Amino acid sequence: QVQLQESGPGLVKPSETLSLTCTVSGGSVSSGSYYWSWIRQPPGKGLEWIGYIYYSGSTNYNPSLKSRVTISVDRSKNHFSLRLSSVTAADTAVYYCAKGYCSSSSCYIFDYWGQGTLVTVSS
Amino acid sequence: DIQMTQSPSSLSAFVGDRVTITCRASQSISSYLNWYQQKPGKAPKLLISAASSLQSGVPSRFSGSGSGTDFTLTINSLQPEDFATYYCQQSYSTLTFGGGTKVEIK
Repeated sequence: QVQLQESGPGLVKPSETLSLTCTVSGGSVSSGSYYWSWIRQPPGKGLEWIGYIYYSGSTNYNPSLKSRVTISVDRSKNHFSLRLSSVTAADTAVYYCAKGYCSSSSCYIFDYWGQGTLVTVSS
Repeated sequence: DIQMTQSPSSLSAFVGDRVTITCRASQSISSYLNWYQQKPGKAPKLLISAASSLQSGVPSRFSGSGSGTDFTLTINSLQPEDFATYYCQQSYSTLTFGGGTKVEIK
């Protein structure tokens, strides 16, 4: 069974870069036609997809965040990472990593999630 | 972006009730619609994919239907562990989630 675990600083200063890592166990980020994704949830609010990195290494980002987001993968460590630059208080959220897949009739189905990590943007 | 509108935003129900949650897309998304359940402090859990395909291990009291722009999540005989917030998610284009429906105990 796949397990995902987010890690990284819980506090980031405004204008700086948020960096998180998602370590995958029970599966490989390099195989399986999966979409390794980041999704966030501001406190008390709904879910927002940030982007994904496909097992092949291609990426796709939410247009609303695209200019500030980079998702990368380290195959040797079996983890993938999120960098979000120029953060503001509006980026305060619980950040989740998740594994997505496609079926014959739908796609980007997130079947495994990390527990989430709260990142607060504050000076 | 495709907007996903869930209704109601919250509801109160008794254990044993049948509950229906609606998700409407701003344009046709075929069956590219998934449903998740989220409990406080926890990550979302996948319930249904492709509008009506129940995930392995999810109780059969959960069901999904719809295609195009209108979708429904139904919970038959609501159980205490079903009190949670439910989200729909479209994957037809740039991924977006509905605003959520909080199901509370009456």
